[in-house]
Amino acid sequence: AQTVTQSQPEMSVQEAETVTLSCTYDTSESDYYLFWYKQPPSRQMILVIRQEAYKQQNATENRFSVNFQKAAKSFSLKISDSQLGDAAMYFCAYRSEIYGGSQGNLIFGKGTKLSVKP
Amino acid sequence: GAGVSQSPSNKVTEKGKDVELRCDPISGHTALYWYRQSLGQGLEFLIYFQGNSAPDKSGLPSDRFSAERTGGSVSTLTIQRTQQEDSAVYLCASSLALAGGGPDTQYFGPGTRLTVL
Repeated sequence: AQTVTQSQPEMSVQEAETVTLSCTYDTSESDYYLFWYKQPPSRQMILVIRQEAYKQQNATENRFSVNFQKAAKSFSLKISDSQLGDAAMYFCAYRSEIYGGSQGNLIFGKGTKLSVKP
Repeated sequence: GAGVSQSPSNKVTEKGKDVELRCDPISGHTALYWYRQSLGQGLEFLIYFQGNSAPDKSGLPSDRFSAERTGGSVSTLTIQRTQQEDSAVYLCASSLALAGGGPDTQYFGPGTRLTVL
């Protein structure tokens, strides 16, 4: 079974600085997807960024980028120019590739609580 | 367009009572998921509906939990004879689930916070 580990329960960053959140996963599959979701106090899970395992190029979305190391099974999230609105729980998630409509649920890490100091 | 909606936002019930939680997915999304978010347990998968296929119930923690999806749209998660350990936030998500596979991003609702006294 696949597992996702986030080893940093809490992180803190100064506004305008850069922070990196760690995520490692365990799988025997070769095709899969990785996601970072943000959950503010409102509880709404918001997709931050996603990565297809077959792509060597790291995904980027504005101030958010990932460092995807497939061999090391590592998927870290870098937030540049941190803003107060970035404060939230961040969850790393794994999903198998779907062929023919098989199981598509996400497997989540336990999350990292990010605080942003003004 | 409208996102995933869930109701009620909060639910307080007494131990032993039955509760129903509702999820309205994004229009056109064929896949619907229920997750449970408990303190200290993170997010765990409960059940998955895909089109007209039989649901994947592999994540349901006990036979007190059931879910249905009517007309391929709205879903109801029912918890019978609630226990205190059922207290959690129940999140619903939906996705397009195109036949060709792909990232198939899941979009989440705001969740229902269930408190069992």
